Amino acid sequence: QLHLVQSGAEVKKPGSSVKVSCKASGGPFSSSGFTWVRQAPGQGLEWMGGIIPLLGTTNYAQRFQGRVTITADESTTTVYMELSSLRSDDTAVYYCARAGLVDREYVWFETWGQGTLVTVSS
Amino acid sequence: EIVMTQSPLSLPVTPGEPASISCKSSQSLLHTNGYNYLSWYLQKPGQSPHLLIYFGSSRASGVPDRFSGSGSGTDFTLKISRVEAEDVGVYYCMQARQTSITFGQGTRLDIK
Repeated sequence: QLHLVQSGAEVKKPGSSVKVSCKASGGPFSSSGFTWVRQAPGQGLEWMGGIIPLLGTTNYAQRFQGRVTITADESTTTVYMELSSLRSDDTAVYYCARAGLVDREYVWFETWGQGTLVTVSS
Repeated sequence: EIVMTQSPLSLPVTPGEPASISCKSSQSLLHTNGYNYLSWYLQKPGQSPHLLIYFGSSRASGVPDRFSGSGSGTDFTLKISRVEAEDVGVYYCMQARQTSITFGQGTRLDIK
């Protein structure tokens, strides 16, 4: 069964960028879909975007367009999420998740990483 | 963007009693392939969310059969036949009918 392990907590200054990694092991990588979901303190879940490594295709939530970049490295079975122009309201736990795919669409999120806390503070 | 509305937002339940959470979408989640693109997740305290139900009513692997999902189109329900102490946490519904995936606000289930 696929297992996802994320990189450690980060503290960033406003205006900077952060890159969070998600290492997949124990299951198929390239044919899978991977997505990123964030959760601000005490708040709900917010989908950011996703990637299907085999196809090299990405999809991003409109509110993050231009600020988020999701990439995948098949040689290391690792997915990355980079968020730029950080603001204080980007402080959140960022989760990667493996998506169940139907016709190359993300339909459900079946395996989740442990989460990475990103704190944006001056 | 499809808006997902859950109710109630807080649900205190006595162990052994049933529980029910409603999730309504602003647009139909029924795909032309006949499946509803609606899933349910439980986030236990201090943990990552995990998948309970997909396609509106299919239980994920390892999910106890006291959890069930139903509904179609815009109205969906998650039911727990007999609540156990380990079921506490926040329950979320999620739609994937549109590329821009959205979640409900979450329903917090506590034990009375």
